[in-house]
Amino acid sequence: GDSVTQMEGPVTLSEEAFLTINCTYTATGYPSLFWYVQYPGEGLQLLLKATKADDKGSNKGFEATYRKETTSFHLEKGSVQVSDSAVYFCALSASGAGSYQLTFGKGTKLSVIP
Amino acid sequence: DAGVTQSPTHLIKTRGQQVTLRCSPKSGHDTVSWYQQALGQGPQFIFQYYEEEERQRGNFPDRFSGHQFPNYSSELNVNALLLGDSALYLCASSLGTGSYNEQFFGPGTRLTVL
Repeated sequence: GDSVTQMEGPVTLSEEAFLTINCTYTATGYPSLFWYVQYPGEGLQLLLKATKADDKGSNKGFEATYRKETTSFHLEKGSVQVSDSAVYFCALSASGAGSYQLTFGKGTKLSVIP
Repeated sequence: DAGVTQSPTHLIKTRGQQVTLRCSPKSGHDTVSWYQQALGQGPQFIFQYYEEEERQRGNFPDRFSGHQFPNYSSELNVNALLLGDSALYLCASSLGTGSYNEQFFGPGTRLTVL
């Protein structure tokens, strides 16, 4: 079945450091890929998405590129801020009829210290 | 514009009891999905409702059931509660059921089973 594997956390960075959170997936066909963020005590918010190979999703300084050849969708940000502290989830939605669910990774907790 | 709302925020039940959780989708959305998020894990898909019918179901037992009303709101019912049902239950809404359609998440209901 479909699955998402993302790097284990927690990750602790100093403010303005470079961030990479690795995400790889297993799925048939051409899934859509997503990064969601969950701030403490809140639900999930969509951070960015990509729906086909080589697409780059970007939002709030975060970027991720859909790499079909390596089945990856790594999240990057050039300079993190304290306000980026949260749990980040990589997810996929399989292509094809009848595939409505999101499949999530286990999440990576990011803490940014001043 | 109100986003996805869920009630109650927190709930404490004992083993063997039954519980009903409620979700109102974002305005204009017609599809509701439910997810279970255990502590420290990513959300897991329970089921999705569209046009008042269950369209897809994840790997959850029949103790988990749901309903969608004509106004698109939804309920999640869990019977014969087990300790392992303790989790954050997330509702997500979208317009349509396609894999490209963004799912908007509510803040969740925290269920504790004692």
